[in-house]
Amino acid sequence: EVQLVESGGGLVQPGRSLRLSCAASGLSFDGYAMHWVRQAPGKGLEWVSGISWNSNRIDYADSVKGRFTISRDNARNSLSLQMNSLRPEDTALYYCAKDTSSYYYAVDVWGQGTTVTVSS
Amino acid sequence: DIQMTQSPSSLSASVGDRVTITCRASQSISSYLNWYQQKPGKAPKLLIYSTSNLQSGVPSRFSGSGSGTDFTLTISSLQPEDFATYYCQQSHSPPLTFGRGTRVEIK
Repeated sequence: EVQLVESGGGLVQPGRSLRLSCAASGLSFDGYAMHWVRQAPGKGLEWVSGISWNSNRIDYADSVKGRFTISRDNARNSLSLQMNSLRPEDTALYYCAKDTSSYYYAVDVWGQGTTVTVSS
Repeated sequence: DIQMTQSPSSLSASVGDRVTITCRASQSISSYLNWYQQKPGKAPKLLIYSTSNLQSGVPSRFSGSGSGTDFTLTISSLQPEDFATYYCQQSHSPPLTFGRGTRVEIK
């Protein structure tokens, strides 16, 4: 069974940093693109960032560009999201998600999410 | 960036009803359109990829159609377990974008 488990969420003050991690199991991790998708309380889904299977293609939503950095370690089956200069509007449940393809196509596996709260 | 406009934002329907949700892209996305279902407190679930391809395990009452800028998700006969929020997403070009969602409620 494919499983994605996020960690690293928590309460952080505006302007500070946080690093999210996602551990993948049950799949050939290096065969798929990966994504971070977030959902603010009571709101819809927002795609945050994506990374191709070999890290050659990395993309961000405009709302996080220049502040967030996505990375992956295929040897460790892990995905990360470094979040700097956090803002209250970054408060959300952050999902780690697997693509069906080595590039961007569709998301077929989601983690349970990790909650990030940005507040003073 | 490509904007995705979903309509309606919510609808009320009865079990057995035929339900249609539309999604419009701000520019052509060919067939790179996916549909997800999300129930409260749960992660989203992929229903349909590339406009009309049913994800494995998804009931055949779900179907998708369209191309270019206009797309449709249809539930042919609404079942109790289908009451949820539905999102479209384009994967034509990053940043990938979702529609704002359509909440399907019980009438």
